[in-house]
Amino acid sequence: NAGVTQTPKFQVLKTGQSMTLQCAQDMNHEYMSWYRQDPGMGLRLIHYSVGAGITDQGEVPNGYNVSRSTTEDFPLRLLSAAPSQTSVYFCASSYGFHQPQHFGDGTRLSIL
Amino acid sequence: SQQGEEDPQALSIQEGENATMNCSYKTSINNLQWYRQNSGRGLVHLILIRSNEREKHSGRLRVTLDTSKKSSSLLITASRAADTASYFCATDGQSGYSTLTFGKGTMLLVSP
Repeated sequence: NAGVTQTPKFQVLKTGQSMTLQCAQDMNHEYMSWYRQDPGMGLRLIHYSVGAGITDQGEVPNGYNVSRSTTEDFPLRLLSAAPSQTSVYFCASSYGFHQPQHFGDGTRLSIL
Repeated sequence: SQQGEEDPQALSIQEGENATMNCSYKTSINNLQWYRQNSGRGLVHLILIRSNEREKHSGRLRVTLDTSKKSSSLLITASRAADTASYFCATDGQSGYSTLTFGKGTMLLVSP
């Protein structure tokens, strides 16, 4: 099993550009989420989904969009990249809210 | 909003020594989880302890939970250089749609 796969692993963008971070899981998990990790800040929840067609905002949703058309995929869209969005982004999935999360290896994003 | 807070922020020990990390949280929980993150990688789930449990073991890991003090500890016995990583606690609330909240982590360095 691949688990949670994130692409790309690295990306450099210019301010104002848009892009989509991809996340796919092959464990048939209903619950998926996106976090960003910044030095000294720990992990902060951006958006999450409890199943196909259902998404909700986390702690830091501004500037990001998500959709969940299938159980497997949960892409994160940056609408207009800003330097403050320079971070490492992690996607995670699990069977449910209170269950162990399975993480991808992250996307390292730099906004110039 | 950070629910769990780890202590210490950084810990440096020699191989063979025990490492103890602590986590404090603010509100009632269903369970508390510990994760490990190796440099440049995603988080890996280590152990989950439910609110009605006081202690749990997994290999060289021992986790305790004191709900009256809203705190947990992670003990790694006979540490190895491969245990060098950041360790995070994560908590959830008792409502059905709560999400995991991660602390800022403890960086553990185990020297040979």
